[in-house]
Amino acid sequence: ILNVEQSPQSLHVQEGDSTNFTCSFPSSNFYALHWYRWETAKSPEALFVMTLNGDEKKKGRISATLNTKEGYSYLYIKGSQPEDSATYLCAFLNTGTASKLTFGTGTRLQVTL
Amino acid sequence: NAGVTQTPKFQVLKTGQSMTLQCAQDMNHNSMYWYRQDPGMGLRLIYYSASEGTTDKGEVPNGYNVSRLNKREFSLRLESAAPSQTSVYFCASSESWTGKQFFGPGTRLTVL
Repeated sequence: ILNVEQSPQSLHVQEGDSTNFTCSFPSSNFYALHWYRWETAKSPEALFVMTLNGDEKKKGRISATLNTKEGYSYLYIKGSQPEDSATYLCAFLNTGTASKLTFGTGTRLQVTL
Repeated sequence: NAGVTQTPKFQVLKTGQSMTLQCAQDMNHNSMYWYRQDPGMGLRLIYYSASEGTTDKGEVPNGYNVSRLNKREFSLRLESAAPSQTSVYFCASSESWTGKQFFGPGTRLTVL
């Protein structure tokens, strides 16, 4: 079983704060790292798929970086807004397990006014 | 495009009953997946189908069977439901096994 860990488990910030959280994964046999955003009572939605060491992706105020050699990815949110409140999931894909994304348990972000 | 659809949205079963959860996608994706989501456990893969005609076990396949009926449809069957199968079930699809996954709205299942 592959271990994908996310920290912190939950985070409470105020509107306008910038924040970041971490996804750790095994550094061997890396293929891809996914980030998903999951709002309460909805389904997960893909944010980024990252495959190359040093990759940086950006979507609006949200960005992500990837370090495959040390096995971590950071997700950053700049100037948090209440609509950013959601659980952010990362998922790891390695070369030995085709089609099997392994998800972390997520970081639950709450942004208040 | 409807994306990924699932039926039913909610279901209550008694222990020992059987049922099939239906999933369909209209994005012409090759790969389809069934996950369950339990508090504190994240999403866990039950079964997946990398392409039409193939299915494989995921992390938690016991008590479930699947059928990839055609490229669009991937069903999950509980032959004899148990309270431990109370969960929210999500179907997903992706163009390829490496690509981002698109999720359905989920089925909330309670087994009494």
